[in-house]
Amino acid sequence: QQQVKQSPQSLIVQKGGISIINCAYENTAFDYFPWYQQFPGKGPALLIAIRPDVSEKKEGRFTISFNKSAKQFSLHIMDSQPGDSATYFCAAVPDARSNDYKLSFGAGTTVTVRA
Amino acid sequence: DVKVTQSSRYLVKRTGEKVFLECVQDMDHENMFWYRQDPGLGLRLIYFSYDVKMKEKGDIPEGYSVSREKKERFSLILESASTNQTSMYLCASSLILQGWAEAAQPQHFGDGTRLSIL
Repeated sequence: QQQVKQSPQSLIVQKGGISIINCAYENTAFDYFPWYQQFPGKGPALLIAIRPDVSEKKEGRFTISFNKSAKQFSLHIMDSQPGDSATYFCAAVPDARSNDYKLSFGAGTTVTVRA
Repeated sequence: DVKVTQSSRYLVKRTGEKVFLECVQDMDHENMFWYRQDPGLGLRLIYFSYDVKMKEKGDIPEGYSVSREKKERFSLILESASTNQTSMYLCASSLILQGWAEAAQPQHFGDGTRLSIL
């Protein structure tokens, strides 16, 4: 049973468009949310991460939005480029009080950016 | 640049065999992880190690064991391979930073070993 639900499973976007990936969770002990990017044939790479004390974090064209009350967070890829075509995973880590330091991953979203 | 190297990209083994997957990292990271990646399931943690000779079970440890005799090397062992262990296996490492959460997250992944059990 996945603790972090990710959608959509895949999406296609035109070059220059916005890609949006959504994740939701139930475990209120989660308090750190990294995103990973994985290209075909490669391992995932840490992309960006957020804590729930901020509602938004931006790094270049990648933005995480966080809604603590709804227990949802999303990744926006602005001005999507063909080089952004990859699989994206959201993840969540419980806080230190839970004594559980394991990351829970979403199922992944395959993003295809058409030129 | 941190490098996590997995010994094989592709491996084919038979049911019942004992299988060893090797992983080496070159950045003196304390934490090392073994994940399994399956379509529609994301990444699932098998085992991780936060120090030499230390190990902790992840979410799906059944049928697997690990060994960490040296800081840079973390081995995953399939004691008696079965067809349901056919999968992509990913090794990762991370440095213990100030924060709890940052230590828990794998920062650097290898490129994976695609294991097929026939």
